[in-house]
Amino acid sequence: NAGVTQTPKFQVLKTGQSMTLQCAQDMNHNSMYWYRQDPGMGLRLIYYSASEGTTDKGEVPNGYNVSRLNKREFSLRLESAAPSQTSVYFCASSVSGRETQYFGPGTRLLVL
Amino acid sequence: EDQVTQSPEALRLQEGESSSLNCSYTVSGLRGLFWYRQDPGKGPEFLFTLYSAGEEKEKERLKATLTKKESFLHITAPKPEDSATYLCAVFYGGSQGNLIFGKGTKLSVKP
Repeated sequence: NAGVTQTPKFQVLKTGQSMTLQCAQDMNHNSMYWYRQDPGMGLRLIYYSASEGTTDKGEVPNGYNVSRLNKREFSLRLESAAPSQTSVYFCASSVSGRETQYFGPGTRLLVL
Repeated sequence: EDQVTQSPEALRLQEGESSSLNCSYTVSGLRGLFWYRQDPGKGPEFLFTLYSAGEEKEKERLKATLTKKESFLHITAPKPEDSATYLCAVFYGGSQGNLIFGKGTKLSVKP
């Protein structure tokens, strides 16, 4: 079992460029999540998908879009990157909302 | 306002010196409290889940406890390899988006 995998591991973008962060899990989990982690701010929820076919906004959704492609995959898209989106992005999954979330290794994004 | 506060922000211990980390929360309808360990450059690694006041869980040198207002992560006789940032997260209310993470406690254990 690979658990939760994320690609890419590191990315540099220029302001205004777009990109998609990919996440996949092989634990047959129903729920998936995207977080960002900034120094001094802790982990903040961007979007989540409670089950295949559904997505909902979290605490900081502005500037992002998501797609739950199937039960395994949940992608995060930045349509027009801004320097404020420089962060470390983590994907997580859980059996259901109340259960433990398991995290991927993260994607480090730098927007110049 | 729903909040999760961890203290201290940083803790330096000598090897073998036991201590506790605190996670206090003000939310309505606690449904679960999670402890994670995070090493530099890596994703959070799950440690414990606690669901109700009075519950305790142990794993090696770590023990997590939960009351109605806070949780403690007790570290007994720590070793240098226990050095990491420890994160607390609280799941509450009816929505799956209701999960708040604390900012973490950075633990350093010196030999």
